Amino acid sequence: SQQGEEDPQALSIQEGENATMNCSYKTSINNLQWYRQNSGRGLVHLILIRSNEREKHSGRLRVTLDTSKKSSSLLITASRAADTASYFCATDTTGTASKLTFGTGTRLQVTL
Amino acid sequence: NAGVTQTPKFQVLKTGQSMTLQCAQDMNHEYMSWYRQDPGMGLRLIHYSVGAGITDQGEVPNGYNVSRSTTEDFPLRLLSAAPSQTSVYFCASSPHTGPEAFFGQGTRLTVV
Repeated sequence: SQQGEEDPQALSIQEGENATMNCSYKTSINNLQWYRQNSGRGLVHLILIRSNEREKHSGRLRVTLDTSKKSSSLLITASRAADTASYFCATDTTGTASKLTFGTGTRLQVTL
Repeated sequence: NAGVTQTPKFQVLKTGQSMTLQCAQDMNHEYMSWYRQDPGMGLRLIHYSVGAGITDQGEVPNGYNVSRSTTEDFPLRLLSAAPSQTSVYFCASSPHTGPEAFFGQGTRLTVV
């Protein structure tokens, strides 16, 4: 399997704290994306970083990419209860989303 | 704006039965894909299509058929359902211009 791995598998924090989740992948990539999945729902795109970029910001999200280590991290700052969800990284080798390879996911629980 | 619509949302099949999971998108996207999501394994690609009349296999294609006669629709057929096909199935579409995928809400399939 070419699936990536994410850690931790589960993360529980309090509202206001930062959440960091990590993703490792196996092959050279064009892009790496992060998706969020609320319980029982489909995946929603959060942020994308290209292979020639090292860091990207979007609102409370910060993603880093280290292609030499084949790894990425997603930081969510000042977490809210509404951030409770599963988070998945996804990579592509074609520059398109026709064939994404997903990580195993991190389940984030943000408590009040 | 409907986006990606999957039907049905839930289905129970008996071993050996066949069925078709429907997927339709109204964004005029060229690419469409089917994934299955199993606990602890993230999403795995079953089949994908880069345009009407063009399909190809993903990581886990056995036991599934697809066809793409129109840009809008990409049905997934289970030929003879097996308990190992119990999973949540997601359809996604994406434009040829970029790597962001848009997901449906999923179909939860149970094979008994």
